[in-house]
Amino acid sequence: GQNIDQPTEMTATEGAIVQINCTYQTSGFNGLFWYQQHAGEAPTFLSYNVLDGLEEKGRFSSFLSRSKGYSYLLLKELQMKDSASYLCAAMDSNYQLIWGAGTKLIIKP
Amino acid sequence: EADIYQTPRYLVIGTGKKITLECSQTMGHDKMYWYQQDPGMELHLIHYSYGVNSTEKGDLSSESTVSRIRTEHFPLTLESARPSHTSQYLCASSEGREADQQYFGPGTRLTVT
Repeated sequence: GQNIDQPTEMTATEGAIVQINCTYQTSGFNGLFWYQQHAGEAPTFLSYNVLDGLEEKGRFSSFLSRSKGYSYLLLKELQMKDSASYLCAAMDSNYQLIWGAGTKLIIKP
Repeated sequence: EADIYQTPRYLVIGTGKKITLECSQTMGHDKMYWYQQDPGMELHLIHYSYGVNSTEKGDLSSESTVSRIRTEHFPLTLESARPSHTSQYLCASSEGREADQQYFGPGTRLTVT
């Protein structure tokens, strides 16, 4: 079956760095997405990886290893506004997104 | 900035009622999607569309229907609401290319009593 695993909740300190991991199993693979979702709001796009390696975008970076079925989202210089859920989603061979349940990130002062 | 709208934002309705959740986008996107999301849970695909007159079923489609008569409009209808339909419903759209990001509307929070 198709499956996404990511931690349910993580806590980090303002100004620090946090890494949110995601492992996936899909029928075929056409890329890995990360979305941010603040409580009560809609998800917003953060990153897309389809090739192995690290993609950096400001304070956020995303890494992909296709051979390991593994991705992580790295958030640097954490700010209070980064408190949100981070959703990992893998695109299967039919270009459908398989979504994880999200990782709730709590930022403490 | 994405322009995708959903109405109503909140709805409380009794069991057995027929309801239609509206979704419109002004970006000219070909692909549109309906998802259901419970708190702390993953998004489940209900229906999707590749374009006008195209509709496909997702994982949770059996109790709802959709239509795509115009590019910008993708309404979702529940013929007979049940308490198990209580959830957040999210509409999304993307351009025609396969691996494009999806833009989400603000959602409709539905409560069936």
